[in-house]
Amino acid sequence: SQQGEEDPQALSIQEGENATMNCSYKTSINNLQWYRQNSGRGLVHLILIRSNEREKHSGRLRVTLDTSKKSSSLLITASRAADTASYFCATSASGYSTLTFGKGTMLLVSP
Amino acid sequence: NAGVTQTPKFQVLKTGQSMTLQCAQDMNHEYMSWYRQDPGMGLRLIHYSVGAGITDQGEVPNGYNVSRSTTEDFPLRLLSAAPSQTSVYFCASSSGYRGGKNIQYFGAGTRLSVL
Repeated sequence: SQQGEEDPQALSIQEGENATMNCSYKTSINNLQWYRQNSGRGLVHLILIRSNEREKHSGRLRVTLDTSKKSSSLLITASRAADTASYFCATSASGYSTLTFGKGTMLLVSP
Repeated sequence: NAGVTQTPKFQVLKTGQSMTLQCAQDMNHEYMSWYRQDPGMGLRLIHYSVGAGITDQGEVPNGYNVSRSTTEDFPLRLLSAAPSQTSVYFCASSSGYRGGKNIQYFGAGTRLSVL
């Protein structure tokens, strides 16, 4: 079964607003990654945070990780219409060569 | 740099037909995986490979077969298509845990309908 679960399932905001998505997982991880999927396309890697890190930044993206609560959040600041996509968290467990994906959050950013 | 290439992009099959979804990567990645994506289900792992000649089952392997004869190619075979296999299929490759990351690179997907 899938390990990551994103929340909310769908999010609708206006351009310029911030978007926050959450991910919960069940077992110990090596790292947690966030991917974006534009409609009809493959997934694209956005950012990775290791299990010994608490926060990571990349441009307008900010990821936090709380291993004690087995949860992560992805913040997109100053959202743009081009950020409209589905966002997935994926966990990588130590010793495993595969990723386990959540069901995703659909983000709609209106102009 | 092509990355991960999947063919075909679209396919319609009749129940009971067999077919092979092709996946090729030009990044010399050791790890390759096949996922299926269904509405509301996210991505589920079908089969994966950690190198040429080595494959293993994922979460939903029934009805699918894989082989890895070269580093570049990882075809997925549907043995006898069923309507339940209607889905979008994604192939991904990774350099594994070099640098402790295991970042995956995805193809554009194959949209399969089984009637």
